[in-house]
Amino acid sequence: ILNVEQSPQSLHVQEGDSTNFTCSFPSSNFYALHWYRWETAKSPEALFVMTLNGDEKKKGRISATLNTKEGYSYLYIKGSQPEDSATYLCAFAYNTDKLIFGTGTRLQVFP
Amino acid sequence: GAGVSQTPSNKVTEKGKYVELRCDPISGHTALYWYRQSLGQGPEFLIYFQGTGAADDSGLPNDRFFAVRPEGSVSTLKIQRTERGDSAVYLCASSLRGQGGEQYFGPGTRLTVT
Repeated sequence: ILNVEQSPQSLHVQEGDSTNFTCSFPSSNFYALHWYRWETAKSPEALFVMTLNGDEKKKGRISATLNTKEGYSYLYIKGSQPEDSATYLCAFAYNTDKLIFGTGTRLQVFP
Repeated sequence: GAGVSQTPSNKVTEKGKYVELRCDPISGHTALYWYRQSLGQGPEFLIYFQGTGAADDSGLPNDRFFAVRPEGSVSTLKIQRTERGDSAVYLCASSLRGQGGEQYFGPGTRLTVT
């Protein structure tokens, strides 16, 4: 059974704090690793699709790294803002199109 | 441009009834996916279409669930003889060509079976 694990399950930080989450996935049959942000009452929004070992991607204050050999990815948020409050999901693709999602990390940023 | 839309946004039905959930993907996207998210879980893959055909339906939990995409655009997820355990948020996503690329999600349909 393919399993994707995310930690922590939830996180509360103050505005301005930097934070990071972990996604662990199977290291065999890797195709891609996706990160999504899901705000309440909205659609999940793609942040990154990562395919290469050692990949680092950045979008504004959010960045992600990928280690396919050991099966983990980190998502970093620098200087958290209240609008960053959301559930962050990672998903592992072990063939081209079937995504296995983790249960997410729920981030709440307090002003 | 228009994103992925799903209707209805909420559906309450009685146990044993039949329901249909609709997904309108982004125009021109050939790949379409259905996921189900139960409380406290991440989205769970149900079925993937490439064009009109179901390329992978291995996630459909049983034969009460069926999905179609007759013209390669709009898709309908059909659930027969609904059970309380079917209560979940049903998400649809589309992708330009599939092949592991970014998936664009709709807002979901929240199904409640009473």
